[in-house]
Amino acid sequence: AQTVTQSQPEMSVQEAETVTLSCTYDTSESDYYLFWYKQPPSRQMILVIRQEAYKQQNATENRFSVNFQKAAKSFSLKISDSQLGDAAMYFCAYRSANYGGSQGNLIFGKGTKLSVKP
Amino acid sequence: NAGVMQNPRHLVRRRGQEARLRCSPMKGHSHVYWYRQLPEEGLKFMVYLQKENIIDESGMPKERFSAEFPKEGPSILRIQQVVRGDSAAYFCASSPGASSYNEQFFGPGTRLTVL
Repeated sequence: AQTVTQSQPEMSVQEAETVTLSCTYDTSESDYYLFWYKQPPSRQMILVIRQEAYKQQNATENRFSVNFQKAAKSFSLKISDSQLGDAAMYFCAYRSANYGGSQGNLIFGKGTKLSVKP
Repeated sequence: NAGVMQNPRHLVRRRGQEARLRCSPMKGHSHVYWYRQLPEEGLKFMVYLQKENIIDESGMPKERFSAEFPKEGPSILRIQQVVRGDSAAYFCASSPGASSYNEQFFGPGTRLTVL
């Protein structure tokens, strides 16, 4: 079974600085998707960024980028120019690329609580 | 296009009562996933449904929990004879298709408190 591990329960960053959140996963599959979700105090789950495992190029979305190391099964999130609105829980998630059935659900890590200091 | 809607947002039940949580997927989406988030935890998959069919309920507790997604109306997650350990946030997500390429869009969640 696949597992996702986030080893940093809490992180803190100064406003305008850069922070990196870590995520490792375990799988025997070769094709899958990886995601970072943001959960602010409102509890709404917001997709931040996604990465297809077959793509070597790291995904980027504005101030958010990932460092995807497939061999090491590592998927870290870098937030540049941190803003107060970035403060939230961040969850790393895995999803198999096998078509349909039980492979469609997301497997989440326990999350990292990010604080942003003004 | 309205997003995924869940109601109620907050639900309080006493031990032994029933809880019904509703999820209306995004327009055009016929696939619904339910997840549970216990305090200080990530979301855990419970059940995956398509219209009128349960596709995967491997994450659902064997007793007291059931889910449906009728041809008309919202998807319902039903918890019978609730216990304190059922207190959690319950999220549903909808998707336009079965392909794992399709993004899952999350609702705002229902926070269930069992007294």
